Amino acid sequence: GENVEQHPSTLSVQEGDSAVIKCTYSDSASNYFPWYKQELGKRPQLIIDIRSNVGEKKDQRIAVTLNKTAKHFSLHITETQPEDSAVYFCAASRFSGNTPLVFGKGTRLSVIA
Amino acid sequence: NAGVTQTPKFRVLKTGQSMTLLCAQDMNHEYMYWYRQDPGMGLRLIHYSVGEGTTAKGEVPDGYNVSRLKKQNFLLGLESAAPSQTSVYFCASSSPPSVRTQYFGPGTRLTVL
Repeated sequence: GENVEQHPSTLSVQEGDSAVIKCTYSDSASNYFPWYKQELGKRPQLIIDIRSNVGEKKDQRIAVTLNKTAKHFSLHITETQPEDSAVYFCAASRFSGNTPLVFGKGTRLSVIA
Repeated sequence: NAGVTQTPKFRVLKTGQSMTLLCAQDMNHEYMYWYRQDPGMGLRLIHYSVGEGTTAKGEVPDGYNVSRLKKQNFLLGLESAAPSQTSVYFCASSSPPSVRTQYFGPGTRLTVL
């Protein structure tokens, strides 16, 4: 089955700097890669996702890149703000069919003002 | 729309007691999921359902049972609670194949003494 590794487990950045979180996956059939953000005491929420037919997707200050050959994908947050502080989870699965998402263990991002 | 709701929000059990967690969604989603979240372990799938009357095992199903008698409800049961089941439990729903976004409930914090 799918296995998703996520690094780093914790990340501290100064406000305004960029943050990068990396994930690798094992199943070459996976073609859907979402990222979820979980603020302290709240539920996880989708912030961005990418399918394997594209290599990069952007939404304002966040972007996700995908390298299918190397089986890794990354979340990039630019111009970080204190409200970006949260736990971020990557996940992978096949877009179609019944295969559920497999999540990474999460990255706790702290943005220091 | 209330989205995904969970009952109860908090619960303390003694070892050996039983309980049922209720998840309800009003988005007419086909798929529903139960996860547990433990520090440093991410979101681990317990059981999931791809439609009314169906259930399937996830990554960590032992000690739990589920039922999906109605499309909008997904119940998670603990027959004989153990301290190792102390965790935060999240329910989620989604509606493949066109949309894979999972919508999470607010979580249930369970402590087993």
